[in-house]
Amino acid sequence: SQTIHQWPATLVQPVGSPLSLECTVEGTSNPNLYWYRQAAGRGLQLLFYSVGIGQISSEVPQNLSASRPQDRQFILSSKKLLLSDSGFYLCALGLYEQYFGPGTRLTVT
Amino acid sequence: KNQVEQSPQSLIILEGKNCTLQCNYTVSPFSNLRWYKQDTGRGPVSLTIMTFSENTKSNGRYTATLDADTKQSSLHITASQLSDSASYICVVSGGSNYQLIWGAGTKLIIKP
Repeated sequence: SQTIHQWPATLVQPVGSPLSLECTVEGTSNPNLYWYRQAAGRGLQLLFYSVGIGQISSEVPQNLSASRPQDRQFILSSKKLLLSDSGFYLCALGLYEQYFGPGTRLTVT
Repeated sequence: KNQVEQSPQSLIILEGKNCTLQCNYTVSPFSNLRWYKQDTGRGPVSLTIMTFSENTKSNGRYTATLDADTKQSSLHITASQLSDSASYICVVSGGSNYQLIWGAGTKLIIKP
């Protein structure tokens, strides 16, 4: 069965600091992978998706970037965090049906 | 513009009661509609996926309906339990790129 790992589970970072969130998946090969952000009390916002190694599509222009260095690894990064980057970050896989990881709660102070 | 709107925004009911959550969408072309349950601090978990030709689909105490003509869906929860407290999110797949368009969710609270 498919499993999605995300870490860290929670993170508190100061404004202007860099960010790296990692997502790894097991039990599947060549998955479609997605990064979502959910602000407090809001719906999910698609940030990036990837259909394969090195392929990244950005849905929302912002100070975040994503990379897919390996088939089952998806990384979300930022060089300088903003207060507005606070939120719950979810990694997901699948196309017809999406499966979500446990999420990372990011607080930018 | 492709949009998914859910109502009510939040709902409080007593344990054992039934409730119905609504989802209206303006996505075209339409591919499918999904309902997810999201517990606080967790990722969403799929409840149902409905295609154009399906009117009703059940998953235990959850029953989803779809009216593709009026572009409306509902999620009915029967005999609610405390564990049903969560956000319920309606997601429509469609549009020119068959992307997923997410509703903001309905926050459901079950009180004993």
